[in-house]
Amino acid sequence: SQQGEEDPQALSIQEGENATMNCSYKTSINNLQWYRQNSGRGLVHLILIRSNEREKHSGRLRVTLDTSKKSSSLLITASRAADTASYFCATADQGAQKLVFGQGTRLTINP
Amino acid sequence: GAGVSQSPSNKVTEKGKDVELRCDPISGHTALYWYRQSLGQGLEFLIYFQGNSAPDKSGLPSDRFSAERTGGSVSTLTIQRTQQEDSAVYLCASRTTGTDTQYFGPGTRLTVL
Repeated sequence: SQQGEEDPQALSIQEGENATMNCSYKTSINNLQWYRQNSGRGLVHLILIRSNEREKHSGRLRVTLDTSKKSSSLLITASRAADTASYFCATADQGAQKLVFGQGTRLTINP
Repeated sequence: GAGVSQSPSNKVTEKGKDVELRCDPISGHTALYWYRQSLGQGLEFLIYFQGNSAPDKSGLPSDRFSAERTGGSVSTLTIQRTQQEDSAVYLCASRTTGTDTQYFGPGTRLTVL
């Protein structure tokens, strides 16, 4: 079963705009990770944020985590056509090794 | 260095046949995971290996599914008597000790006719 939900399920924006995706989860976590998937195949790791962190940056990516609301957001700034992909959040429970994924957000960047 | 590799990239089989899917993790990664991605169920955990042991098999959907890992490296996921609902992309990931990031392979797309 899925740990959480992602919102929106699909997002279409113009190149150069910012894209924001949200993720909610249900249980206490050790960390939350964001992955990108192109063409329904392998997942590419983007960023990891730990439960004691509130915000993290990596290039054009900014991730926030609110453990009191059990939610996270991924912001992609100055979007590019190459950012078109599905984006998944995944949580790792305390003491658990497996990742539990949300259902993903399909992002389309229009030129 | 090389990433996680999986073979075959695509597999088409007939209902009732057995299939074997292979995963080569990143060299030196002690932890190995299998996940499955299907339209109806999204991304689901199947099994986790630490070395050659599998301390968490909780995601295997039935006893038709099994996996092994030898030499702390290559892993094989076997599905016996395949059913149409087994059609999915099977993803393998590996992780090194002391980190939380899992690195995924390109997946094997399994189609059961």
